[in-house]
Amino acid sequence: QKEVEQNSGPLSVPEGAIASLNCTYSDRVSQSFFWYRQYSGKSPELIMSIYSNGDKEDGRFTAQLNKASQYVSLLIRDSQPSDSATYLCAVQASYNTDKLIFGTGTRLQVFP
Amino acid sequence: DTAVSQTPKYLVTQMGNDKSIKCEQNLGHDTMYWYKQDSKKFLKIMFSYNNKELIINETVPNRFSPKSPDKAHLNLHINSLELGDSAVYFCASSQINNEQFFGPGTRLTVL
Repeated sequence: QKEVEQNSGPLSVPEGAIASLNCTYSDRVSQSFFWYRQYSGKSPELIMSIYSNGDKEDGRFTAQLNKASQYVSLLIRDSQPSDSATYLCAVQASYNTDKLIFGTGTRLQVFP
Repeated sequence: DTAVSQTPKYLVTQMGNDKSIKCEQNLGHDTMYWYKQDSKKFLKIMFSYNNKELIINETVPNRFSPKSPDKAHLNLHINSLELGDSAVYFCASSQINNEQFFGPGTRLTVL
């Protein structure tokens, strides 16, 4: 089992729709979770961090965390073509808190 | 601009050569990292330093040697380059809550 799993996609959604990106992780004791956006040929950009169960909203982005199910998701409301990118889920390792373990990313395509 | 910067942006070299990549951050962070992103876009940590002290050293060939002259700089030296070293190398830094900020990347191509 991979430590952090994401569906590679592509996830295609029409402009204006809600895009839902999912991530599961294996380390039950992990405490910190992050979503990064990576445009093609660019570096990962931190867009959300979440540390406790529930929802965290920032503009059009909502991160959801369920530690019991070892599941973290990212919702993008009113999706725009400019949101088309690869979204990387990252989980802080419990055995070394300086270490982030990344999923392989989900490619999102928002079409006009 | 406050940021993480890397040089060079592109590096093309022959097998067997030795090369270095430099990283600097002016965010005042204590921890810096090197990541490798392979052709399948998988991002994997290689090293981390906290205030010039090596914290993480993943299973990386000893041809790769990081060096941190001060907490704002973390360089990566690679000896005897191999074809499989071709990848994008990202530097990152963090302070609180492990929110890591990435540099623009160095695309290394070994011929």
